[in-house]
Amino acid sequence: DAGVIQSPRHEVTEMGQEVTLRCKPISGHDYLFWYRQTMMRGLELLIYFNNNVPIDDSGMPEDRFSAKMPNASFSTLKIQPSEPRDSAVYFCASSLGTGRIYGYTFGSGTRLTVV
Amino acid sequence: AQSVTQLGSHVSVSEGALVLLRCNYSSSVPPYLFWYVQYPNQGLQLLLKYTTGATLVKGINGFEAEFKKSETSFHLTKPSAHMSDAAEYFCAVSGNSNSGYALNFGKGTSLLVTP
Repeated sequence: DAGVIQSPRHEVTEMGQEVTLRCKPISGHDYLFWYRQTMMRGLELLIYFNNNVPIDDSGMPEDRFSAKMPNASFSTLKIQPSEPRDSAVYFCASSLGTGRIYGYTFGSGTRLTVV
Repeated sequence: AQSVTQLGSHVSVSEGALVLLRCNYSSSVPPYLFWYVQYPNQGLQLLLKYTTGATLVKGINGFEAEFKKSETSFHLTKPSAHMSDAAEYFCAVSGNSNSGYALNFGKGTSLLVTP
């Protein structure tokens, strides 16, 4: 298995533009998580899905953020419009079950810079 | 809510010396605890985990951690540091059922290994 695949690895965009981050989880994993990593706040859980259904999006900072999982092999995180304070590394992770037993497998992340 | 505190944002050791990275947890339920490592520009990789059973847990790359309930601690150790151990280390605890057992991460400890 190729692991969790995220694209793009780097994204530089101008303030106000729409940004879409993509994630392909490990085949067979039924949980998918989106985290954001910043120096100030560390790793923050944004949203997670179980069997493609969003379960908890309480970590999504604002309505500018949205996430979808149209099928078991693909998820997107969209920011519209983007702002400089959204600059961070965004990680996708997947797990078999809640991750409580086996832990998560993380992707390599997308480094987003909003100028 | 379940949380972890990592003592020391930066730790420096000499090559061959003992590595000790500290993690204390707070949990209202029996905790499931994890250590992850992050190398530069990469995602997080699972080092080891404690779920139930033996309190001394061995992981990859010679690392181990001991769950001490009386001290609410889960410190990470390695007898002899190697240059390749230089990385960011994250302690995490599984949340409760209300949060879908999603992992809550500490702020991380950056390990520097000097020759």
